[in-house]
Amino acid sequence: GENVEQHPSTLSVQEGDSAVIKCTYSDSASNYFPWYKQELGKRPQLIIDIRSNVGEKKDQRIAVTLNKTAKHFSLHITETQPEDSAVYFCAASRGNSGGSNYKLTFGKGTLLTVNP
Amino acid sequence: DGGITQSPKYLFRKEGQNVTLSCEQNLNHDAMYWYRQDPGQGLRLIYYSQIVNDFQKGDIAEGYSVSREKKESFPLTVTSAQKNPTAFYLCASSIWTVREGQPQHFGDGTRLSIL
Repeated sequence: GENVEQHPSTLSVQEGDSAVIKCTYSDSASNYFPWYKQELGKRPQLIIDIRSNVGEKKDQRIAVTLNKTAKHFSLHITETQPEDSAVYFCAASRGNSGGSNYKLTFGKGTLLTVNP
Repeated sequence: DGGITQSPKYLFRKEGQNVTLSCEQNLNHDAMYWYRQDPGQGLRLIYYSQIVNDFQKGDIAEGYSVSREKKESFPLTVTSAQKNPTAFYLCASSIWTVREGQPQHFGDGTRLSIL
């Protein structure tokens, strides 16, 4: 099955700096890669996603890049703010091919702390 | 206002007791999922369902059971066979397509503890 590795497990940055979180996946058939933000005790919320037919996607201060050949994808947050502090999860899915029925496999998360 | 509602927010289980967590969605999504989250861990899939009256085991199904009698509802029962049930349980839903994965939308979770 799919295996998603996420690094680093913790990341501390100063307000205004950039933050980068990286994930690798094992299943070359995976074609959908979402990123979720989870504040303490709350639900994960989708912040950005990318499909395998594009290499980069941007939404204001957040961007995601995908390298299908190397099987890795990254989340980039620019001009970080204290409210960006949370746990971020990457995930991968192959859709309904091969009988796997669009399960999302999650990384173990990155605790991002933005210091004022 | 569309969304996913989980109840209760907090639940306590006694030794040997089965407990049921509720999950209801009004997003008209076909697929529904249950995840378990432990501290420092990612989300691990317990069960999922693509359609009414059908569901499949996820990665950690032992000690859990589900039903899908209605499109809107996907309750999870934590049985007495689950020896370490203390965790944060999240329900999610998504549309279903054949070729590609789809965004999953999460409820607010139920925190289950042992008495």
